[in-house]
Amino acid sequence: DSGVTQTPKHLITATGQRVTLRCSPRSGDLSVYWYQQSLDQGLQFLIQYYNGEERAKGNILERFSAQQFPDLHSELNLSSLELGDSALYFCASSVLGGAAYNEQFFGPGTRLTVL
Amino acid sequence: AQSVSQHNHHVILSEAASLELGCNYSYGGTVNLFWYVQYPGQHLQLLLKYFSGDPLVKGIKGFEAEFIKSKFSFNLRKPSVQWSDTAEYFCAVIPYNFNKFYFGSGTKLNVKP
Repeated sequence: DSGVTQTPKHLITATGQRVTLRCSPRSGDLSVYWYQQSLDQGLQFLIQYYNGEERAKGNILERFSAQQFPDLHSELNLSSLELGDSALYFCASSVLGGAAYNEQFFGPGTRLTVL
Repeated sequence: AQSVSQHNHHVILSEAASLELGCNYSYGGTVNLFWYVQYPGQHLQLLLKYFSGDPLVKGIKGFEAEFIKSKFSFNLRKPSVQWSDTAEYFCAVIPYNFNKFYFGSGTKLNVKP
């Protein structure tokens, strides 16, 4: 158990819908990262928040957005869902915000299925 | 663009065989390097990491990796694999100046009992 929690574990929804994935980082970690893992694209970095502010952006679609709240939990919002958005979405957390000496701890993931 | 290459997509070994999984990255500056493992149905777990110092890094479960800067490589090794090592292994790189984790495409290891 990494100490990072994600809810829900599974989510099944229809195309065009909007969902929210939630992540609680390890106690004391200030950074939260979101990743998408799919069969055809592998593990893709989406976005990072550090202490409430966006720190780095990866391959995140405009239909997707995220935020980190004052209690440091984070939510990833996915809207206008398409079949291709079906994937495993991981959250990770770390103490630091920068690259140097940074180590990320991953949550169990949310499996999203879009029908 | 920065990239991380794992050339072996699927490896099948018998128990007690030796393992070496390749990882190459394209960034020329200072990097932090990681190997993560994902057991079936589970989340990614850190096997080992390299920040600085001795380029031969020892991790959990008997794994080790060697950072060869001149070759931009960080290969993962284990002298004798077990059935329980069946998993997917991901190499990851953080270039200092980019502050983003770049993951390789993963290598699925299947160890036959």
